[in-house]
Amino acid sequence: DQQVKQNSPSLSVQEGRISILNCDYTNSMFDYFLWYKKYPAEGPTFLISISSIKDKNEDGRFTVFLNKSAKHLSLHIVPSQPGDSAVYFCAASASRGQFYFGTGTSLTVIP
Amino acid sequence: EAQVTQNPRYLITVTGKKLTVTCSQNMNHEYMSWYRQDPGLGLRQIYYSMNVEVTDKGDVPEGYKVSRKEKRNFPLILESPSPNQTSLYFCASSLNGGGNTEAFFGQGTRLTVV
Repeated sequence: DQQVKQNSPSLSVQEGRISILNCDYTNSMFDYFLWYKKYPAEGPTFLISISSIKDKNEDGRFTVFLNKSAKHLSLHIVPSQPGDSAVYFCAASASRGQFYFGTGTSLTVIP
Repeated sequence: EAQVTQNPRYLITVTGKKLTVTCSQNMNHEYMSWYRQDPGLGLRQIYYSMNVEVTDKGDVPEGYKVSRKEKRNFPLILESPSPNQTSLYFCASSLNGGGNTEAFFGQGTRLTVV
């Protein structure tokens, strides 16, 4: 059973606007959450992470919000740029070495 | 250049013919891992290794073997491939496998088993 879920397979956003990608999880033991970005024909690349003891982490245009009570996290990209068009994977870890990924959300930023 | 290198990038094989996908990293990372990516299922962890001679099962280890004899290499072995192992495979490495450590991924190996 999928412990990390991304219920939106795709998202389209106008350039300059905010992109919000969502992720839900079921395991309350997850202590770290990560976002990866993947371009076609390439491996995923790390974007940003957050510890379960925090509710927000920011890195430039990227902010991740964590709502533990709702078992929900979201990635905000502001402002969105055409180069942000990619598949975004949410991931979670409960113990060192083990990672669970979501199914991915394909983001298209329209110029 | 820091990188994770997988070989081959593409492979078509027949059912039952043993194969090995190699993975090598040049960052002196302790942790390495294998994933498969399938449509609608995302990335699923197959095996991981916290250090030399230390390996553990991930979420979907059935039908796969791994070994970690040297720090830089982590080959994925399919002793008797079956069509349901047709997938896109990724190798990854990170400093120590901690939840907050950035993992570096290879470019992927697209395997087709007929």
